[in-house]
Amino acid sequence: NAGVTQTPKFQVLKTGQSMTLQCAQDMNHNSMYWYRQDPGMGLRLIYYSASEGTTDKGEVPNGYNVSRLNKREFSLRLESAAPSQTSVYFCASSEQDFEAFFGQGTRLTVV
Amino acid sequence: AQKITQTQPGMFVQEKEAVTLDCTYDTSDQSYGLFWYKQPSSGEMIFLIYQGSYDEQNATEGRYSLNFQKARKSANLVISASQLGDSAMYFCAMRDFAGGSQGNLIFGKGTKLSVKP
Repeated sequence: NAGVTQTPKFQVLKTGQSMTLQCAQDMNHNSMYWYRQDPGMGLRLIYYSASEGTTDKGEVPNGYNVSRLNKREFSLRLESAAPSQTSVYFCASSEQDFEAFFGQGTRLTVV
Repeated sequence: AQKITQTQPGMFVQEKEAVTLDCTYDTSDQSYGLFWYKQPSSGEMIFLIYQGSYDEQNATEGRYSLNFQKARKSANLVISASQLGDSAMYFCAMRDFAGGSQGNLIFGKGTKLSVKP
């Protein structure tokens, strides 16, 4: 039972490069989320998707785009990476009234 | 606007003692859910306990209990009989549907708990 799978686990980008973080869940959840975690800031919501075909901005969406490809997959794209996007990124999924399950995180460094 | 506040950046507790981690929240919704997560140094997010806004009883899960005071908008986590393995970051989180939200899940900044032997 894989739960929530994120790839890659680690990534180093140069400023201006683009990349896509992949996330897939096998629990048939409707809701999926992308967070970034920075020291002293907790987890801040970037985007979320309440169901297949819908996405909505969270607290810190600037510089990111998302795609809810299907019910299982929710990807996060950085079109032009900046050093301020150096962070640990978490994907999560949940059913509406229940706890969210998290991936293992992606540690991204932008140089 | 939704908001979760954890006022204790760091806490120390002696092994085998109880500790309370504070969490206050703000929402205009009547229906919401409150969650606590643990993040050990290895980085994974571990769900601990859930309280629904309409639940009349405080939630309990083993050594974890949630002291829910709805009028004060607080949802404090109580850990009884602390163990060395409880040393971690603890995050309070809330899901509601206020302001047109479709149920996003927001987190506080966390409290780092250190258990002393």
